[in-house]
Amino acid sequence: EPEVTQTPSHQVTQMGQEVILRCVPISNHLYFYWYRQILGQKVEFLVSFYNNEISEKSEIFDDQFSVERPDGSNFTLKIRSTKLEDSAMYFCASSEITGYEKLFFGSGTQLSVL
Amino acid sequence: GNSVTQMEGPVTLSEEAFLTINCTYTATGYPSLFWYVQYPGEGLQLLLKATKADDKGSNKGFEATYRKETTSFHLEKGSVQVSDSAVYFCALSGGTSYGKLTFGQGTILTVHP
Repeated sequence: EPEVTQTPSHQVTQMGQEVILRCVPISNHLYFYWYRQILGQKVEFLVSFYNNEISEKSEIFDDQFSVERPDGSNFTLKIRSTKLEDSAMYFCASSEITGYEKLFFGSGTQLSVL
Repeated sequence: GNSVTQMEGPVTLSEEAFLTINCTYTATGYPSLFWYVQYPGEGLQLLLKATKADDKGSNKGFEATYRKETTSFHLEKGSVQVSDSAVYFCALSGGTSYGKLTFGQGTILTVHP
């Protein structure tokens, strides 16, 4: 079965640094998402992206966050100035235009902000 | 707003035991309900779903019925296997928020031989 690929699997950064988390969605999918899970808490929706623009974002997704589909295959999440509380597992997901509710998730990037 | 509550975990069972993981929800409108599973080192995978009241989702021996009167979507399996050991997430999506899922906290299931 096709899968969503995320890199790196682990990333460690210093507070205040910029990080970019990368994802390669399934090739024929048109909707893209980022979710995150802080240790011990629920998986939370961050943002959805369709047709090269944000469809919806949560209150978590403030000006420090941005998403981009730079080249037609990658989907990235940038955090401009990381905070300690950004430490979490970040999941990328994608879905087809039809049957949109079946999301395919990547295995996640564990971000640790020191 | 929408919310999902799963039973407290973790759950430890012997092989061939009966499994129930409780899930209740709060939502406006008529949400779709899902169970996702995450095996070690992998991403979340859709296990089953139900899109309207009284629908039963089923897959790989797992079942869950959309109960609007009790706002529940409990996951059941009659006979678990060691390979079912994973984290199970109940989730809902509602309205026109495509792909915006609200998750429960996840339940760790460990099955011993």
